[in-house]
Amino acid sequence: SQTIHQWPATLVQPVGSPLSLECTVEGTSNPNLYWYRQAAGRGLQLLFYSVGIGQISSEVPQNLSASRPQDRQFILSSKKLLLSDSGFYLCAWREQGVLYGYTFGSGTRLTVV
Amino acid sequence: ILNVEQSPQSLHVQEGDSTNFTCSFPSSNFYALHWYRWETAKSPEALFVMTLNGDEKKKGRISATLNTKEGYSYLYIKGSQPEDSATYLCAFSTNAGKSTFGDGTTLTVKP
Repeated sequence: SQTIHQWPATLVQPVGSPLSLECTVEGTSNPNLYWYRQAAGRGLQLLFYSVGIGQISSEVPQNLSASRPQDRQFILSSKKLLLSDSGFYLCAWREQGVLYGYTFGSGTRLTVV
Repeated sequence: ILNVEQSPQSLHVQEGDSTNFTCSFPSSNFYALHWYRWETAKSPEALFVMTLNGDEKKKGRISATLNTKEGYSYLYIKGSQPEDSATYLCAFSTNAGKSTFGDGTTLTVKP
């Protein structure tokens, strides 16, 4: 069966520090991978998605970047965090095609101080 | 930007009450609608995927209907239980492969 791992679960970082969140998927190959963020009191906003190694699409301009160095690894990064980067970050995967629902990781609560 | 709206934003009911909430989405370029349940301290979990106008899906005490012509889906919970307390998200997908989430309805069921 497929599983998705995301870490760390919580992170408190000072403004201006770098960020690296990692997500890995097991039990499937060539998944579509996604990074979502939930701002306070809001739904899920798509940040990045990837349909293959090295292929990254950005949905909104921001202070973050994403990379997919391996088929089942997806990384969210920042060189210098801003206060506005605080939020709850979720990694997700799904099979090719929108009929399949997302399977989400356990999330990372990021607080930038 | 696709506008997906969920109402109400939050809902408080007594155990045993039946309840329903709404997801509204654009009626053009519809491909699929997903419902998710997001319990506190857990990840969102898929409940239903709906694709055809008039679709009705059921899972235990939870059911959902779909009207693609007018652009809405209802989620019903019959005889709410405290364990139903969660945020319920809908996600609208176009035939171009894009999915947009609503902001969710947070349900609290009081014992």
